[in-house]
Amino acid sequence: EAQVTQNPRYLITVTGKKLTVTCSQNMNHEYMSWYRQDPGLGLRQIYYSMNVEVTDKGDVPEGYKVSRKEKRNFPLILESPSPNQTSLYFCASSGPRAGRGDTQYFGPGTRLTVL
Amino acid sequence: RKEVEQDPGPFNVPEGATVAFNCTYSNSASQSFFWYRQDCRKEPKLLMSVYSSGNEDGRFTAQLNRASQYISLLIRDSKLSDSATYLCVVNPLYNFNKFYFGSGTKLNVKP
Repeated sequence: EAQVTQNPRYLITVTGKKLTVTCSQNMNHEYMSWYRQDPGLGLRQIYYSMNVEVTDKGDVPEGYKVSRKEKRNFPLILESPSPNQTSLYFCASSGPRAGRGDTQYFGPGTRLTVL
Repeated sequence: RKEVEQDPGPFNVPEGATVAFNCTYSNSASQSFFWYRQDCRKEPKLLMSVYSSGNEDGRFTAQLNRASQYISLLIRDSKLSDSATYLCVVNPLYNFNKFYFGSGTKLNVKP
């Protein structure tokens, strides 16, 4: 089954404790992206990747890191989480024409709480 | 100013009704437009892309008005299963890897 998986689905942590949210897709997609969703603000793009070793900042990259060492994986790293990073996070993937017709497929989301 | 604005609703309509949502975007250089559907606490799913000439997919019709910088979604013969939040998404001409999402319009279809 074609899918985007994220782990963990739920995480409660404390300020400053480094964490990684994994994202994996089995559709051989070139494009992958991370979003956060907050009430009243909609989804905001954090980082995206056009292919292996090619990443770029979205609108809200501060406090996050990403890497794309393999095509299927695109982990999101919070080196020192803070309470304002409490949010619902979605990973998405698509073919190379993400904004030109290829559908973005989203993972099930990771609900992160930083205390 | 937000890149994409939507009326949050909720729109409460009876089954069988026709309902329309609008979404405005601020960047006139926006290139591609989409409507996504999101069920409560679930991941967004593409409903349809929006083409310049307008397009239809069954009960759903999407329109683009570049002059006034808005897109619309019309749902005819609403079903209970249409209850969801509808997200407007815009992709700028200068970078087709970036996406701007509206905060969504909630639709409740009631029996």
